[in-house]
Amino acid sequence: EVQLLESGGGLVQPGGSLRLSCAASGFTFVSYVMNWVRQAPGKGLEWVSSVSGSGGSTYHADSVKGRFTISRDNSKNTLYLQMSSLRVEDTAVYYCVGASGGWYSAFDFWGQGTVVTVSS
Amino acid sequence: EIVMTQSPATLSVSPGERATLSCRASQSVRSNLAWYQQRPGQAPRLLIYGASTRATGIPARFSGSGSETEFTLTISGLQSEDFAVYYCQQYNKWPPLTFGGGTKVEIK
Repeated sequence: EVQLLESGGGLVQPGGSLRLSCAASGFTFVSYVMNWVRQAPGKGLEWVSSVSGSGGSTYHADSVKGRFTISRDNSKNTLYLQMSSLRVEDTAVYYCVGASGGWYSAFDFWGQGTVVTVSS
Repeated sequence: EIVMTQSPATLSVSPGERATLSCRASQSVRSNLAWYQQRPGQAPRLLIYGASTRATGIPARFSGSGSETEFTLTISGLQSEDFAVYYCQQYNKWPPLTFGGGTKVEIK
């Protein structure tokens, strides 16, 4: 059974940092493009970042570029999102998402999400 | 950036009836279009990819159609568990990957 388990969310002050983790199991992790998607309270879905199976290629939304970094450790089957210079508007549920078909494919499965709240 | 526009924002449907949801892309995405369902308090799940292919385990009452810039998700014979928010997403040209704003299907 495919499982994605996010952790690392919490309450942080504006300007602070957090690192989200996503532990993957039940599939060949290295074969999947992995992504982070967020959802602000009462709002729709927003793509945040993507990383290739090897970890060598990454992409970030303009809204987080220069502040967030996606990475992965294939030896630990774990995806990360390092978030710094956090803003109030980064408050959201952050989902770890897997895509089996490479860069141009739908998002096959989603974790349950971890909540990040940026507030003073 | 490709802008995805969904309509209507809210759709009121009686159980057992058909729901038709629309998604429009600001430029062609070919058939690189997915639909997701999000029930209250849950993560989204993939329903349709490639504009018309049902994901594993998705009931046949869900069907997708369209190509280029105009897409439709049809839910035939709505069941109680189908009342949710539905999002379309293009993955043809990115970054950024873009989602529509969502359509909420509610009980009439």
